[in-house]
Amino acid sequence: AQSVTQPDIHITVSEGASLELRCNYSYGATPYLFWYVQSPGQGLQLLLKYFSGDTLVQGIKGFEAEFKRSQSSFNLRKPSVHWSDAAEYFCAVGYQGAQKLVFGQGTRLTINP
Amino acid sequence: DTEVTQTPKHLVMGMTNKKSLKCEQHMGHRAMYWYKQKAKKPPELMFVYSYEKLSINESVPSRFSPECPNSSLLNLHLHALQPEDSALYLCASSQGGGFYEQYFGPGTRLTVT
Repeated sequence: AQSVTQPDIHITVSEGASLELRCNYSYGATPYLFWYVQSPGQGLQLLLKYFSGDTLVQGIKGFEAEFKRSQSSFNLRKPSVHWSDAAEYFCAVGYQGAQKLVFGQGTRLTINP
Repeated sequence: DTEVTQTPKHLVMGMTNKKSLKCEQHMGHRAMYWYKQKAKKPPELMFVYSYEKLSINESVPSRFSPECPNSSLLNLHLHALQPEDSALYLCASSQGGGFYEQYFGPGTRLTVT
């Protein structure tokens, strides 16, 4: 069965520092990869997605992610975080022929002033 | 427009009440989803509607009854809920299939007393 692992439950970074959130997926058919962000009590907002092509994808709010097939990873990065980036981040994977996404457990991001 | 709307925003109900959650999208999406999310957990898929037909029921108890009156609307009827059903209920829509991104509504915070 497909699965998604986000190894870091909680990450704390200082405002202005760089950020990398890790995501690994289980091997399967060609994956379709997504990163979502959720502020407390809110719905999930799509940050970016990877379907094919260039393995470095740009998203909203200054985020980017790199797909590495050899490592089954899709890590999210941001060069300089802002206090407003504090939230829960979910990685998700979909597959052609499937009707649903598989979500990771999430990484909670805290920003130190 | 990538908006999914949900009403109500908050709902408190007793265990003998009957209530409904509503979801609406006007993106022309053919798939709609109900998720349940507990605190500090990823969304948990409940139901998937594809072309207005129920295509996935993730073994959800019958006290939850979904309905898709048309391609833009999705309801979740609630009856005889338990306190453990208290959660954030999220609606989402997509073009259909696991390789399309899902757009989420802001959710309904449900409390069962």
